[in-house]
Amino acid sequence: AQSVTQPDIHITVSEGASLELRCNYSYGATPYLFWYVQSPGQGLQLLLKYFSGDTLVQGIKGFEAEFKRSQSSFNLRKPSVHWSDAAEYFCAVGNDYKLSFGAGTTVTVRA
Amino acid sequence: NAGVTQTPKFRVLKTGQSMTLLCAQDMNHEYMYWYRQDPGMGLRLIHYSVGEGTTAKGEVPDGYNVSRLKKQNFLLGLESAAPSQTSVYFCASSYPTGGQETQYFGPGTRLLVL
Repeated sequence: AQSVTQPDIHITVSEGASLELRCNYSYGATPYLFWYVQSPGQGLQLLLKYFSGDTLVQGIKGFEAEFKRSQSSFNLRKPSVHWSDAAEYFCAVGNDYKLSFGAGTTVTVRA
Repeated sequence: NAGVTQTPKFRVLKTGQSMTLLCAQDMNHEYMYWYRQDPGMGLRLIHYSVGEGTTAKGEVPDGYNVSRLKKQNFLLGLESAAPSQTSVYFCASSYPTGGQETQYFGPGTRLLVL
């Protein structure tokens, strides 16, 4: 069975500081991995996705993620956080069009 | 394009009442999904559809029914609402690309069952 663990429920970061969100997955085959962002009161928006090839994936809004098969991880990073990055972030794993989502990490940005 | 839209945005029900949530997409996507989002649990798949006239159960289907009579619409029904169905419901759609589908989400429907 596929599953995703996001160890951090809530992270607070200063504006301009770097951000890293952790994601660990369990999957029996080659995983397809996704990061979605949810702003307050909104639906989810895709930030980036990994299917194969280069293990460092670039996404929208300056985010990137690195796939590490040996650690079953797909951590999301951003070098310099903006106040508009305050949101909830979800990691997801899936194949054959069905996704399993992690519980999410809420990011608070302080001035 | 409106993308994925959901109706209604918010609803309050009494235990035992029924209702239907409507999801519509204008992207000609084959696949559509219904999720529920609860605090600390992320999104859980209720039902999904891989084409007009077909539906399948997801992770948490009990208490819900769905129909996909038209390709652009996916309806989620609650026949007899229970307080445990208080949640935020999201609809999503995607185009089949061999497992690499990006799902596009609607804005959500907040349901409160008293």
